[in-house]
Amino acid sequence: ILNVEQSPQSLHVQEGDSTNFTCSFPSSNFYALHWYRWETAKSPEALFVMTLNGDEKKKGRISATLNTKEGYSYLYIKGSQPEDSATYLCAFRAGYAGNNRKLIWGLGTSLAVNP
Amino acid sequence: GAVVSQHPSRVICKSGTSVKIECRSLDFQATTMFWYRQFPKQSLMLMATSNEGSKATYEQGVEKDKFLINHASLTLSTLTVTSAHPEDSSFYICSATTSTDTQYFGPGTRLTVL
Repeated sequence: ILNVEQSPQSLHVQEGDSTNFTCSFPSSNFYALHWYRWETAKSPEALFVMTLNGDEKKKGRISATLNTKEGYSYLYIKGSQPEDSATYLCAFRAGYAGNNRKLIWGLGTSLAVNP
Repeated sequence: GAVVSQHPSRVICKSGTSVKIECRSLDFQATTMFWYRQFPKQSLMLMATSNEGSKATYEQGVEKDKFLINHASLTLSTLTVTSAHPEDSSFYICSATTSTDTQYFGPGTRLTVL
């Protein structure tokens, strides 16, 4: 059974703080790792799709790194703002086709940024 | 770009009735659409994958006769929960994708079966 774990489960930070969270996934078979941001009452929004070991992606104040050999990805937010408050989800994909194509989701990290 | 709508956003129905949920890609043609379900304090769980014009592929444990999926066009997929029961109460959310890996999500439907 493929398992994706995210930590911490929730996080409260002050505006301006930088923060990071972890996504752990199976390291045996790897195709892609997705990060999404999900604000309450809105649609999940795609942040990154990461495919290469050592990959680092950036979107504004948010960045992510990937280590496929040890099975983890970090998401960083620099200088958190109240509008960053959301649940951050990661999803793992083991392969290209068939049953391996589907995304296996973590439970998410719920971030609250206090003004 | 890449906007997906989903209707209704919330539905309350009596046990035994059927409920249809629509998922539309508004500004792109979706080669594949996915239907997920999320129970409280659990992760998103894939129910089925549907490609336009062909039968949906259901995940293990998901009853295809209970959760009817129709993907009649490249912009519309529907999920019908037939003879709904209280245990079907959940959050249902769809996503759509093109040839890339990124899935674009609708806002979800909260189903409550009384």
